Amino acid sequence: EPEVTQTPSHQVTQMGQEVILRCVPISNHLYFYWYRQILGQKVEFLVSFYNNEISEKSEIFDDQFSVERPDGSNFTLKIRSTKLEDSAMYFCASSENRNTEAFFGQGTRLTVV
Amino acid sequence: QKEVEQDPGPLSVPEGAIVSLNCTYSNSAFQYFMWYRQYSRKGPELLMYTYSSGNKEDGRFTAQVDKSSKYISLFIRDSQPSDSATYLCAMSARGLTGGGNKLTFGTGTQLKVEL
Repeated sequence: EPEVTQTPSHQVTQMGQEVILRCVPISNHLYFYWYRQILGQKVEFLVSFYNNEISEKSEIFDDQFSVERPDGSNFTLKIRSTKLEDSAMYFCASSENRNTEAFFGQGTRLTVV
Repeated sequence: QKEVEQDPGPLSVPEGAIVSLNCTYSNSAFQYFMWYRQYSRKGPELLMYTYSSGNKEDGRFTAQVDKSSKYISLFIRDSQPSDSATYLCAMSARGLTGGGNKLTFGTGTQLKVEL
């Protein structure tokens, strides 16, 4: 069964460092998303991406965040200068089109120390 | 008022019980309604998906949507210990973003089914 895969599963980084979280969406999907879940809190939308550009972003997705689809398979989230409050589980998701269900990856746990 | 409200639980039931999980929402633009199951430290997994008022059944699971009351429910019949997880409701508004289906999640209800 096709699935969304994310790497790494856990990343520890020092405050102020840049991190790149990687995702391989399901191959025939066209819409890609990043969500995050701070420990004990709800899953929150960060950004959606279609046709090589951002479709929508939340207020959380400020200038320190960026997304990219560098090739035909990967979808990345970059955090330029990490803060302690960026510590969370980051989920990548993809959907076949704008109105079908999103399938989530297993997540990358980011710990900023 | 929060866009989506969900009782966080925890909810503990004996094996075989019928479980009822609920969410209310305030945004009339929401047209698509989903239930996700999330095991500890894993990603959400889609259980049910519907875009109309009424009931939708899939095995032991029934999703119910009442758009007039802005209320959705998930019923689990003959609950099993393997159903122990956090259940998240999620919603999206069709066409609101012009592309992609941003999901708005509830906080999740933690369910434990005991032997």
